[in-house]
Amino acid sequence: DTGVSQNPRHKITKRGQNVTFRCDPISEHNRLYWYRQTLGQGPEFLTYFQNEAQLEKSRLLSDRFSAERPKGSFSTLEIQRTEQGDSAMYLCASSPTGLSNQPQHFGDGTRLSIL
Amino acid sequence: AQSVSQHNHHVILSEAASLELGCNYSYGGTVNLFWYVQYPGQHLQLLLKYFSGDPLVKGIKGFEAEFIKSKFSFNLRKPSVQWSDTAEYFCAVNMNSGYSTLTFGKGTMLLVSP
Repeated sequence: DTGVSQNPRHKITKRGQNVTFRCDPISEHNRLYWYRQTLGQGPEFLTYFQNEAQLEKSRLLSDRFSAERPKGSFSTLEIQRTEQGDSAMYLCASSPTGLSNQPQHFGDGTRLSIL
Repeated sequence: AQSVSQHNHHVILSEAASLELGCNYSYGGTVNLFWYVQYPGQHLQLLLKYFSGDPLVKGIKGFEAEFIKSKFSFNLRKPSVQWSDTAEYFCAVNMNSGYSTLTFGKGTMLLVSP
């Protein structure tokens, strides 16, 4: 399968702990996106990368959140000092370039549950 | 800021019934429009997209959507649904200008009973 891969699929942690998620985009896709999806909502944009450069961050991305794509391939999303409100599905998507008319390819997501 | 409104959160149909899911967006400029589908336990998949040209676009599995610019709408249709169409459907929009991120609607959960 050469689709977008996300790990882990599920993460359960206690409030206040740090968590890190990984996304492996489709090979040779330059653009990588992170979204968050809560119950009853569509995906909400968090941030995106063009190769290794983080080009845009949403207001949803508080200072507890940090994302990296160090070599322009896989990306990590870290949440520090998790809160109850961080419980959500975190989705990663990629596209060949960032052109607006190119559809994004999504991974299965990482479901985060905060106890 | 652009936004997307999907009129129905839940739709229940019997097999062979016709389907129309509403989607309206708010943005004054030129847009790209997408419908994504999420089958149970699977990731979001592209159903169809509109960039320019013929406002009636056809996608996979017999789905189609019509872009009506004057109504800021991009409704999804299928003449005859199947049980396998049970899924959540998301409308999304971005600006048709260079690089642009997607704004999604809240989704419509479609349940097709056999």
